[in-house]
Amino acid sequence: AQTVTQSQPEMSVQEAETVTLSCTYDTSESDYYLFWYKQPPSRQMILVIRQEAYKQQNATENRFSVNFQKAAKSFSLKISDSQLGDAAMYFCAYSTRYNFNKFYFGSGTKLNVKP
Amino acid sequence: EAQVTQNPRYLITVTGKKLTVTCSQNMNHEYMSWYRQDPGLGLRQIYYSMNVEVTDKGDVPEGYKVSRKEKRNFPLILESPSPNQTSLYFCATKTEGDYTGVGELFFGEGSRLTVL
Repeated sequence: AQTVTQSQPEMSVQEAETVTLSCTYDTSESDYYLFWYKQPPSRQMILVIRQEAYKQQNATENRFSVNFQKAAKSFSLKISDSQLGDAAMYFCAYSTRYNFNKFYFGSGTKLNVKP
Repeated sequence: EAQVTQNPRYLITVTGKKLTVTCSQNMNHEYMSWYRQDPGLGLRQIYYSMNVEVTDKGDVPEGYKVSRKEKRNFPLILESPSPNQTSLYFCATKTEGDYTGVGELFFGEGSRLTVL
């Protein structure tokens, strides 16, 4: 069974600093996708970044980037120049081309940003 | 504006009183799904639908029903709610994606349900 693990329930970062959120996953498949979703206090789930497993290059979206280590089944999110608006719950998620109807989510990491 | 609309956003009910949470989308997506979010557990899939009249169970379907009679609507039905169904519920659609079929999820704003 596919599982997604986020081992950091809560983290804090100073404004303008860099923080890395961890995510590991378990799968026996080779063709899959990984996602980071952000959930601010408004509860709206927002896609932050997406990584295709077949791509060796790490995905980047402005201040957000990932460190994808396929052999280690690790998918961490780095937020550079943290802003107050980055404060939110962050969820790591997984889906696969062999069962693309299903998404598996981690338990989430709450990120606090200190001014 | 592309939207997934859920109603109600907040609901307090009592055990056994049937309720329906509606979900409507204006993006013409074939795929729709329901998730529940609980502290420490993240989001777990309840049911999903590939298209009209096509639904299937997710990981936690017990106690829930769904129907898909129209492409835009995918209501979640709790026939006899119990306190363990107190949760935050999300409806989501999905883009078609690339050749693999893995698209991106678009979520509604969530429905906070409390069952007393």
